[in-house]
Amino acid sequence: AQKVTQAQTEISVVEKEDVTLDCVYETRDTTYYLFWYKQPPSGELVFLIRRNSFDEQNEISGRYSWNFQKSTSSFNFTITASQVVDSAVYFCALRSLIQGAQKLVFGQGTRLTINP
Amino acid sequence: DARVTQTPRHKVTEMGQEVTMRCQPILGHNTVFWYRQTMMQGLELLAYFRNRAPLDDSGMPKDRFSAEMPDATLATLKIQPSEPRDSAVYFCASGSRDLLKETQYFGPGTRLLVL
Repeated sequence: AQKVTQAQTEISVVEKEDVTLDCVYETRDTTYYLFWYKQPPSGELVFLIRRNSFDEQNEISGRYSWNFQKSTSSFNFTITASQVVDSAVYFCALRSLIQGAQKLVFGQGTRLTINP
Repeated sequence: DARVTQTPRHKVTEMGQEVTMRCQPILGHNTVFWYRQTMMQGLELLAYFRNRAPLDDSGMPKDRFSAEMPDATLATLKIQPSEPRDSAVYFCASGSRDLLKETQYFGPGTRLLVL
Protein backbone atom coordinates (compact mmCIF):
# COMPACT_ATOMS: atom_id res chain seq x y z
CA ALA A 1 0.00 0.00 0.00
CA GLN A 2 1.08 3.54 -0.61
CA LYS A 3 0.72 6.25 1.95
CA VAL A 4 1.82 9.83 2.48
CA THR A 5 1.93 11.34 5.94
CA GLN A 6 2.14 15.02 6.68
CA ALA A 7 2.26 15.04 10.43
CA GLN A 8 2.04 18.81 10.77
CA THR A 9 -1.60 19.79 10.42
CA GLU A 10 -1.01 23.50 10.91
CA ILE A 11 2.04 25.72 11.18
CA SER A 12 2.05 29.39 11.99
CA VAL A 13 5.16 31.56 11.77
CA VAL A 14 6.04 35.20 11.55
CA GLU A 15 7.08 36.65 8.23
CA LYS A 16 10.76 36.21 7.31
CA GLU A 17 11.14 33.08 9.40
CA ASP A 18 12.24 29.88 7.74
CA VAL A 19 9.77 27.01 7.87
CA THR A 20 10.01 23.32 6.99
CA LEU A 21 7.07 21.16 6.03
CA ASP A 22 7.55 17.47 6.63
CA CYS A 23 6.48 14.64 4.33
CA VAL A 24 6.99 10.94 4.95
CA TYR A 25 5.91 8.36 2.43
CA GLU A 26 5.44 4.61 2.25
CA THR A 27 5.70 2.47 -0.84
CA ARG A 28 7.03 -0.94 -1.74
CA ASP A 29 7.86 0.16 -5.26
CA THR A 30 11.39 1.07 -6.25
CA THR A 31 10.29 3.48 -8.95
CA TYR A 32 8.10 6.36 -7.91
CA TYR A 33 7.64 10.11 -8.08
CA LEU A 34 7.09 12.60 -5.30
CA PHE A 35 5.31 15.92 -5.66
CA TRP A 36 4.48 19.04 -3.75
CA TYR A 37 1.39 21.12 -4.50
CA LYS A 38 0.29 24.43 -3.04
CA GLN A 39 -3.36 25.30 -2.44
CA PRO A 40 -3.73 29.03 -1.71
CA PRO A 41 -6.92 30.47 -0.20
CA SER A 42 -8.37 30.86 -3.69
CA GLY A 43 -8.59 27.06 -3.83
CA GLU A 44 -6.69 25.96 -6.90
CA LEU A 45 -3.92 23.37 -6.67
CA VAL A 46 -0.60 24.65 -7.95
CA PHE A 47 2.18 22.25 -8.91
CA LEU A 48 5.50 23.09 -7.24
CA ILE A 49 7.92 20.23 -7.84
CA ARG A 50 8.30 16.65 -9.06
CA ARG A 51 11.09 14.33 -7.95
CA ASN A 52 11.81 10.78 -9.08
CA SER A 53 13.05 8.04 -6.79
CA PHE A 54 16.43 7.79 -8.51
CA ASP A 55 17.35 11.39 -8.00
CA GLU A 56 18.19 12.28 -4.43
CA GLN A 57 19.73 15.62 -5.22
CA ASN A 58 18.24 18.42 -3.25
CA GLU A 59 16.63 21.15 -5.24
CA ILE A 60 16.41 24.87 -4.71
CA SER A 61 14.11 27.26 -6.48
CA GLY A 62 14.32 30.78 -5.16
CA ARG A 63 13.14 30.71 -1.53
CA TYR A 64 11.93 27.12 -1.88
CA SER A 65 14.07 24.06 -1.32
CA TRP A 66 13.36 20.35 -1.11
CA ASN A 67 15.25 17.66 0.75
CA PHE A 68 14.67 14.13 -0.52
CA GLN A 69 16.07 11.31 1.62
CA LYS A 70 15.26 7.74 0.59
CA SER A 71 16.86 6.35 3.74
CA THR A 72 14.16 7.95 5.84
CA SER A 73 11.45 7.99 3.14
CA SER A 74 11.11 11.72 3.51
CA PHE A 75 10.64 14.59 1.10
CA ASN A 76 10.66 17.77 3.15
CA PHE A 77 9.96 21.26 1.87
CA THR A 78 11.60 24.39 3.27
CA ILE A 79 10.58 27.97 2.66
CA THR A 80 13.30 30.46 3.48
CA ALA A 81 12.44 34.01 4.53
CA SER A 82 8.72 33.28 4.43
CA GLN A 83 6.28 35.84 3.11
CA VAL A 84 2.57 36.38 3.73
CA VAL A 85 1.86 35.18 0.17
CA ASP A 86 3.24 31.78 1.14
CA SER A 87 0.18 31.22 3.32
CA ALA A 88 -1.58 28.19 1.88
CA VAL A 89 -2.22 24.51 2.37
CA TYR A 90 0.66 22.44 1.05
CA PHE A 91 0.21 18.87 -0.12
CA CYS A 92 2.82 16.20 -0.61
CA ALA A 93 1.90 13.41 -3.03
CA LEU A 94 3.31 10.10 -4.25
CA ARG A 95 2.91 8.37 -7.59
CA SER A 96 4.19 4.90 -8.29
CA LEU A 97 5.03 3.77 -11.81
CA ILE A 98 4.30 0.16 -11.00
CA GLN A 99 1.07 0.00 -9.08
CA GLY A 100 -1.72 2.27 -10.30
CA ALA A 101 0.70 4.04 -12.53
CA GLN A 102 -1.25 7.21 -12.80
CA LYS A 103 -2.64 7.49 -9.33
CA LEU A 104 -1.49 10.29 -7.04
CA VAL A 105 -1.75 9.56 -3.35
CA PHE A 106 -1.93 12.77 -1.34
CA GLY A 107 -1.08 13.53 2.23
CA GLN A 108 -3.63 15.33 4.36
CA GLY A 109 -1.92 18.65 3.85
CA THR A 110 -0.23 21.20 6.09
CA ARG A 111 -1.91 24.55 6.56
CA LEU A 112 0.80 27.21 6.67
CA THR A 113 0.02 30.66 7.98
CA ILE A 114 2.57 33.42 7.65
CA ASN A 115 1.78 36.32 9.94
CA PRO A 116 3.00 39.84 9.15
CA ASP B 1 -0.49 30.06 -20.61
CA ALA B 2 -2.01 26.57 -20.85
CA ARG B 3 -4.44 25.73 -18.07
CA VAL B 4 -7.07 23.20 -17.18
CA THR B 5 -10.49 24.83 -17.16
CA GLN B 6 -13.52 23.68 -15.23
CA THR B 7 -17.14 24.74 -15.29
CA PRO B 8 -19.08 25.65 -13.33
CA ARG B 9 -16.86 27.05 -10.60
CA HIS B 10 -19.69 26.91 -8.08
CA LYS B 11 -22.88 24.89 -8.01
CA VAL B 12 -25.66 24.84 -5.44
CA THR B 13 -28.39 22.30 -6.00
CA GLU B 14 -31.02 20.36 -4.16
CA MET B 15 -30.83 16.73 -3.23
CA GLY B 16 -32.00 14.50 -6.04
CA GLN B 17 -31.01 16.84 -8.83
CA GLU B 18 -28.54 15.93 -11.56
CA VAL B 19 -25.20 17.69 -11.53
CA THR B 20 -22.81 17.83 -14.49
CA MET B 21 -19.28 19.16 -14.15
CA ARG B 22 -17.11 19.83 -17.18
CA CYS B 23 -13.39 19.93 -17.70
CA GLN B 24 -11.22 21.03 -20.59
CA PRO B 25 -7.73 19.53 -20.26
CA ILE B 26 -4.57 21.24 -21.40
CA LEU B 27 -4.24 20.90 -25.16
CA GLY B 28 -2.08 17.91 -25.97
CA HIS B 29 -2.54 16.20 -22.63
CA ASN B 30 -3.98 12.74 -23.03
CA THR B 31 -4.66 11.79 -19.43
CA VAL B 32 -7.50 13.29 -17.43
CA PHE B 33 -8.22 12.78 -13.75
CA TRP B 34 -11.16 13.58 -11.49
CA TYR B 35 -10.49 14.18 -7.80
CA ARG B 36 -12.76 15.08 -4.93
CA GLN B 37 -11.64 17.12 -1.93
CA THR B 38 -13.47 17.10 1.39
CA MET B 39 -12.39 18.08 4.87
CA MET B 40 -12.83 14.55 6.15
CA GLN B 41 -11.28 12.54 3.33
CA GLY B 42 -8.85 15.01 1.82
CA LEU B 43 -8.04 14.57 -1.87
CA GLU B 44 -9.37 11.35 -3.39
CA LEU B 45 -9.04 10.09 -6.94
CA LEU B 46 -12.43 9.27 -8.42
CA ALA B 47 -11.51 8.25 -11.96
CA TYR B 48 -9.06 8.79 -14.75
CA PHE B 49 -8.89 8.46 -18.50
CA ARG B 50 -6.06 7.93 -20.90
CA ASN B 51 -6.58 8.65 -24.58
CA ARG B 52 -10.26 9.08 -23.69
CA ALA B 53 -10.59 5.51 -22.38
CA PRO B 54 -11.45 5.01 -18.70
CA LEU B 55 -8.56 3.31 -16.93
CA ASP B 56 -9.65 3.39 -13.33
CA ASP B 57 -12.91 4.47 -11.79
CA SER B 58 -12.64 2.40 -8.63
CA GLY B 59 -12.82 5.50 -6.47
CA MET B 60 -16.20 6.51 -7.79
CA PRO B 61 -19.58 5.48 -6.36
CA LYS B 62 -20.91 3.60 -9.37
CA ASP B 63 -24.56 3.88 -8.59
CA ARG B 64 -24.75 7.64 -8.93
CA PHE B 65 -21.53 8.88 -10.48
CA SER B 66 -20.45 8.61 -14.08
CA ALA B 67 -17.45 9.99 -15.92
CA GLU B 68 -17.01 10.31 -19.65
CA MET B 69 -14.69 11.85 -22.16
CA PRO B 70 -16.69 12.47 -25.31
CA ASP B 71 -13.71 14.00 -27.06
CA ALA B 72 -10.12 14.98 -26.36
CA THR B 73 -11.09 18.46 -25.23
CA LEU B 74 -13.91 17.63 -22.86
CA ALA B 75 -14.32 15.44 -19.82
CA THR B 76 -17.51 15.28 -17.78
CA LEU B 77 -18.41 14.09 -14.32
CA LYS B 78 -22.07 13.54 -13.62
CA ILE B 79 -23.89 12.86 -10.37
CA GLN B 80 -27.45 11.58 -10.58
CA PRO B 81 -29.16 11.80 -8.17
CA SER B 82 -27.08 14.10 -6.02
CA GLU B 83 -26.98 13.77 -2.23
CA PRO B 84 -25.80 16.14 0.52
CA ARG B 85 -22.76 13.93 1.14
CA ASP B 86 -21.58 14.72 -2.39
CA SER B 87 -20.86 18.30 -1.31
CA ALA B 88 -17.18 18.83 -1.99
CA VAL B 89 -14.73 20.49 -4.34
CA TYR B 90 -14.24 18.47 -7.51
CA PHE B 91 -10.96 18.91 -9.31
CA CYS B 92 -10.05 17.91 -12.80
CA ALA B 93 -6.39 17.43 -13.67
CA SER B 94 -4.64 16.62 -16.90
CA GLY B 95 -1.27 15.04 -17.56
CA SER B 96 1.11 14.95 -20.49
CA ARG B 97 1.76 12.12 -22.90
CA ASP B 98 5.10 11.21 -21.36
CA LEU B 99 4.27 8.68 -18.67
CA LEU B 100 7.65 8.89 -17.00
CA LYS B 101 7.71 12.64 -16.75
CA GLU B 102 4.03 13.13 -16.23
CA THR B 103 2.89 15.83 -13.87
CA GLN B 104 -0.77 16.39 -13.15
CA TYR B 105 -1.93 19.97 -13.58
CA PHE B 106 -5.11 20.85 -11.77
CA GLY B 107 -8.03 23.00 -12.75
CA PRO B 108 -9.55 25.55 -10.37
CA GLY B 109 -12.18 23.10 -9.14
CA THR B 110 -15.97 23.04 -8.97
CA ARG B 111 -17.32 23.75 -5.51
CA LEU B 112 -20.53 21.73 -5.15
CA LEU B 113 -23.10 22.18 -2.41
CA VAL B 114 -26.04 19.80 -2.31
CA LEU B 115 -28.80 20.94 0.01
